[in-house]
Amino acid sequence: DSGVTQTPKHLITATGQRVTLRCSPRSGDLSVYWYQQSLDQGLQFLIQYYNGEERAKGNILERFSAQQFPDLHSELNLSSLELGDSALYFCASSWQGGSHEQYFGPGTRLTVT
Amino acid sequence: QQQVKQSPQSLIVQKGGISIINCAYENTAFDYFPWYQQFPGKGPALLIAIRPDVSEKKEGRFTISFNKSAKQFSLHIMDSQPGDSATYFCAARGGSGNTGKLIFGQGTTLQVKP
Repeated sequence: DSGVTQTPKHLITATGQRVTLRCSPRSGDLSVYWYQQSLDQGLQFLIQYYNGEERAKGNILERFSAQQFPDLHSELNLSSLELGDSALYFCASSWQGGSHEQYFGPGTRLTVT
Repeated sequence: QQQVKQSPQSLIVQKGGISIINCAYENTAFDYFPWYQQFPGKGPALLIAIRPDVSEKKEGRFTISFNKSAKQFSLHIMDSQPGDSATYFCAARGGSGNTGKLIFGQGTTLQVKP
């Protein structure tokens, strides 16, 4: 158990809908990262927050947004969902913004029908 | 330049054998190279990591070999066990500034036969 929690574990929704994925980092970690894992794209970095501020952005679609709250938990919002958004979404956390050791949560499996 | 290329895609090894997975990168600004192990239905778990100023790092049965001039690094699993059967990802810390974003290889599915 990495200490990173994610909810929900599974999510099934229809195209065009909006969902919110939640992540709680390990105790004491200030930085949260979101990654998407799909069969064709592998593990791809989406976005990083450090202590409430956006630190880095990767291949994140404009339909996706994220934020980190004062209690350091983070939410990833996915809107106007398409079939191709079906994937595993992982949250990872680390102590610092540039800290090298990232610990991953168990993931949220999103299925868009 | 932001890619990390991993091979082989899949690997079958007999119990007690050595598993070797290779990765190559282009961006010389990468400064940290972790390996993650992922079991089905689980998140990636940090296995071992190395920085480019070190040529080798060993933790138990797992060893990273790093060749900075060739821009290659590899994971060796000694005395492979059926419990090691999983998908392994190499990664590199990419980007400038104080960000820890990781760029992952495509993964290697390892099967260790009893």
